[in-house]
Amino acid sequence: DTAVSQTPKYLVTQMGNDKSIKCEQNLGHDTMYWYKQDSKKFLKIMFSYNNKELIINETVPNRFSPKSPDKAHLNLHINSLELGDSAVYFCASSRRDRGPFFGQGTRLTVV
Amino acid sequence: GEDVEQSLFLSVREGDSSVINCTYTDSSSTYLYWYKQEPGAGLQLLTYIFSNMDMKQDQRLTVLLNKKDKHLSLRIADTQTGDSAIYFCAEILAGNMLTFGGGTRLMVKP
Repeated sequence: DTAVSQTPKYLVTQMGNDKSIKCEQNLGHDTMYWYKQDSKKFLKIMFSYNNKELIINETVPNRFSPKSPDKAHLNLHINSLELGDSAVYFCASSRRDRGPFFGQGTRLTVV
Repeated sequence: GEDVEQSLFLSVREGDSSVINCTYTDSSSTYLYWYKQEPGAGLQLLTYIFSNMDMKQDQRLTVLLNKKDKHLSLRIADTQTGDSAIYFCAEILAGNMLTFGGGTRLMVKP
């Protein structure tokens, strides 16, 4: 059973579109995250969310928004996609003070 | 990865030991981590060390922590071609969020 799963694995879309990436974890963790990995492999935190608190990296454009229907899911919505949004997006989950477990990533290509 | 620093590349021969180094920034980090990323794959948690430890060994992996110098290293004994990957060190900062180094690309030559 996959611990952290995200869909789709690949997403190709045109500039200006709105898209969502879904993430689900079956580990019973309280906190979920979204990370962005750019073409140079640098990983940056975008959001950290549990049922009490959303922490946003201030460098993330407000076109990006996390939506959590329940503790096991944290979806990433992106409005008005831009070329610079092309990257691999990783969902992750963790329990307190322990390193996250990551999903396999979603490669987003904006054309 | 500007706050957590790692060298970009490391090349070793199969059977040798690999040592990947990392310097981090926050002396209050409770845990420090090593992740492995194989080509086209997600991040796999390899090992972690609690900040009150100096060393942790897990099979072929040895993690050394020097808190005074904020230096973390990962030693892989008897490196195999399957160990070729990018290795990221990471520290936990406020909000339980990981900050990653830029990654070290390990190449293992037969």
